[in-house]
Amino acid sequence: GNSVTQMEGPVTLSEEAFLTINCTYTATGYPSLFWYVQYPGEGLQLLLKATKADDKGSNKGFEATYRKETTSFHLEKGSVQVSDSAVYFCALSAYSTLTFGKGTMLLVSP
Amino acid sequence: DTAVSQTPKYLVTQMGNDKSIKCEQNLGHDTMYWYKQDSKKFLKIMFSYNNKELIINETVPNRFSPKSPDKAHLNLHINSLELGDSAVYFCASADRGTGELFFGEGSRLTVL
Repeated sequence: GNSVTQMEGPVTLSEEAFLTINCTYTATGYPSLFWYVQYPGEGLQLLLKATKADDKGSNKGFEATYRKETTSFHLEKGSVQVSDSAVYFCALSAYSTLTFGKGTMLLVSP
Repeated sequence: DTAVSQTPKYLVTQMGNDKSIKCEQNLGHDTMYWYKQDSKKFLKIMFSYNNKELIINETVPNRFSPKSPDKAHLNLHINSLELGDSAVYFCASADRGTGELFFGEGSRLTVL
């Protein structure tokens, strides 16, 4: 079956630090890949997505590249802000089913 | 305009009671879901409906019963509530073209 593995948190960074949250997946076929973000007290919202190999999704300074050869979709941001503190979920969509990773909490301090 | 709305946002109740959470989406999507998020933020799919028909029913106790009166609504009824049911329940709808999910803000259920 499909699965998503992402690094365990919390990830604790100082403002303006570089962020990487690793995500790898196992899937049959050709899934679409997503990163969702959940701010405190809110529901999940789409951060970025990529629908085929070598696509790069980007939004709000975050980027992730769909790497089929390494089955990865790592999330990166060059300079994090306190407002980026949230839980980040990697997910894949295949055959109308969305599979989530366990989430990675990011804490950014001033 | 709230795309996916669920009520109530907070629910505190005693063990053994029955409660319902309602969900509505105005995005015109055919597919809707219920997810349960535990205290460690782990998201687990519970049910999925497509055009009012059940298509995913994970290993959820039969005390949980979803009902979809039309494709814009998916309600969740829980009988005989237990302490372990305490969690945040999220409703979502899906754009089948892109696979993207749109989530409600969640309903935090606390069973005492």
